[in-house]
Amino acid sequence: GNSVTQMEGPVTLSEEAFLTINCTYTATGYPSLFWYVQYPGEGLQLLLKATKADDKGSNKGFEATYRKETTSFHLEKGSVQVSDSAVYFCALSAGNQFYFGTGTSLTVIP
Amino acid sequence: DTGVSQDPRHKITKRGQNVTFRCDPISEHNRLYWYRQTLGQGPEFLTYFQNEAQLEKSRLLSDRFSAERPKGSFSTLEIQRTEQGDSAMYLCASSPGTGAGNTIYFGEGSWLTVV
Repeated sequence: GNSVTQMEGPVTLSEEAFLTINCTYTATGYPSLFWYVQYPGEGLQLLLKATKADDKGSNKGFEATYRKETTSFHLEKGSVQVSDSAVYFCALSAGNQFYFGTGTSLTVIP
Repeated sequence: DTGVSQDPRHKITKRGQNVTFRCDPISEHNRLYWYRQTLGQGPEFLTYFQNEAQLEKSRLLSDRFSAERPKGSFSTLEIQRTEQGDSAMYLCASSPGTGAGNTIYFGEGSWLTVV
């Protein structure tokens, strides 16, 4: 079946620290991979995506590379800001469906 | 493009009452999804539409839940005889269609509290 596993949070970092949030997936076929971000009380917003192996998605300083050999799509940012505090969801698309991880809460302190 | 809009944003209801949520997708998006999200969890799939056809329903969707998309544009999700376990955020999302990299875009969500 299709599923996504994320590292559990919460994650607390100081401003300007390096961020990694791990995501691995199980899928039949060739899924597309996504990271979504959710701010308190809001819906999910697309952060970045990658549609095939070795693709790198990037947006707002965040990056993730589609690694088929390790079935991973880890999210990274070189220098986090307080405004990056949110919950981050890894997701995959296979066929007509989207599958989400349980989310990783990030808090960035000044 | 305006985004996906949902109404109401918040609803408090007594157990046993019926509630209805509305979703207006991004115009020209022919796919529409409903998800449910509880605190600390990711979105759980409920159902989706291709135009006006409801193509898939989750086993999570009990008989008390019904969704419609009568003209292939807006959609409604109705919950009958609400229970406290229905308290959650109900998320609507839309997408332009299928294919590699097909992306879904979420609305702000409708919070339901059953007391």
